[in-house]
Amino acid sequence: GNSVTQMEGPVTLSEEAFLTINCTYTATGYPSLFWYVQYPGEGLQLLLKATKADDKGSNKGFEATYRKETTSFHLEKGSVQVSDSAVYFCALYSGAGSYQLTFGKGTKLSVIP
Amino acid sequence: GAGVSQSPRYKVAKRGQDVALRCDPISGHVSLFWYQQALGQGPEFLTYFQNEAQLDKSGLPSDRFFAERPEGSVSTLKIQRTQQEDSAVYLCASSSTLAGGRDTQYFGPGTRLTVL
Repeated sequence: GNSVTQMEGPVTLSEEAFLTINCTYTATGYPSLFWYVQYPGEGLQLLLKATKADDKGSNKGFEATYRKETTSFHLEKGSVQVSDSAVYFCALYSGAGSYQLTFGKGTKLSVIP
Repeated sequence: GAGVSQSPRYKVAKRGQDVALRCDPISGHVSLFWYQQALGQGPEFLTYFQNEAQLDKSGLPSDRFFAERPEGSVSTLKIQRTQQEDSAVYLCASSSTLAGGRDTQYFGPGTRLTVL
């Protein structure tokens, strides 16, 4: 079946540090890949997505590239801010008659001034 | 505009009680999803509606769980004879297209259910 594996947190970084959160997946066919973010006290919201191999999703300075050869979709940001402190979820949609998103367990990021 | 709303935000139930959780999706959104999120875990899919039709209920963990969306807008997730393992945050999400999970989903704040 489909699955998503994320690096375990929590991750604590100083402001302006480089961020990488690893995500790998197992899926049939050609899934679409997503990063969702949950800020403290708020609901989940889409951060970025990519629908085919070699696509790069980007938003708010975050980027992730769909790598089919390594089945990965790692999230990166060059310079994190305190306001980026949140829980980040990698997710996939495999299609093929299914309607559901499959999520990873989430990675909590704390950015300290 | 208004986002997805859920009520109640918090619910405490005694084991064996029935509970009903409500979701108001974004107006006009045809797709509606329910997820269950245990502490420290990612959301897990429960069920999917396209308008009033429940097209996928493969994630409902037992026959004690039942969801409906009779008029294609508001949805209710009902849990009968609650058990301690049902304690979780229940998330509702909606999207504007018929593309299932491929399209952007807009999530509500969730209902935190605690079963004593």
